[in-house]
Amino acid sequence: DIVMTQSPSSLAVSAGETVTINCKSSQSLLSSGNQKNYLAWYQQKPGQSPKLLIYLASTRESGVPDRFIGSGSRTDFTLTISSVQAEDLADYYCQQHYSYPLTFGSGTKLEIK
Amino acid sequence: EVQLVESGGGLVQPGTSLKLSCVASGFTFSDYWMSWVRQTPGKTMEWIGDIKYDGSYTNYAPSLKNRFTISRDNAKSTLYLQMSNVRSEDTATYYCTREEHNMGIYWGQGVMVTVSS
Repeated sequence: DIVMTQSPSSLAVSAGETVTINCKSSQSLLSSGNQKNYLAWYQQKPGQSPKLLIYLASTRESGVPDRFIGSGSRTDFTLTISSVQAEDLADYYCQQHYSYPLTFGSGTKLEIK
Repeated sequence: EVQLVESGGGLVQPGTSLKLSCVASGFTFSDYWMSWVRQTPGKTMEWIGDIKYDGSYTNYAPSLKNRFTISRDNAKSTLYLQMSNVRSEDTATYYCTREEHNMGIYWGQGVMVTVSS
């Protein structure tokens, strides 16, 4: 199984600041066939189901604000949230969608000061 | 509007069986792979498995393959998760998702399962 290691487990920032969440996979998520990285990011707000934010490492899902930016390749990935807003209070999870079994990171709790 | 509504959860005793259902609407159910994902009380997310659009193929997390079975009834637009010999560590919120490219694009609201004597 591919192990996903996510950090930090939690962080607190003030509105307007920039946040970086890291995700490392135990093996490369880069497909040699199409040169795409199979890494997704989800946002789970309190009391809600997870929502897909980003897939293929850097492609935003429809309707996701452009302050959410995914980057990285092979085994190291980052979710950057620029100019954090109060509504971004949530847990964030990475997930590899490269191979079975699909696996998730342990999550990052984002708090707004 | 895509809707996924899970049901069948509750308090169950260790060693028993339970079957969860997920009724889909707002899309052509038989066109999509579907999956189950669970989230423990400690917030750990675990992919359980998925099933091909026609029900002919399934994938499972190796640790759950022997106890959990995913099936579907396309005529009823319903996805199922049969859980057997449940354990305390199966206590979680169970979500059904519509999968695309091995990602949960749409998620249900989840159903809670508590395993306790």
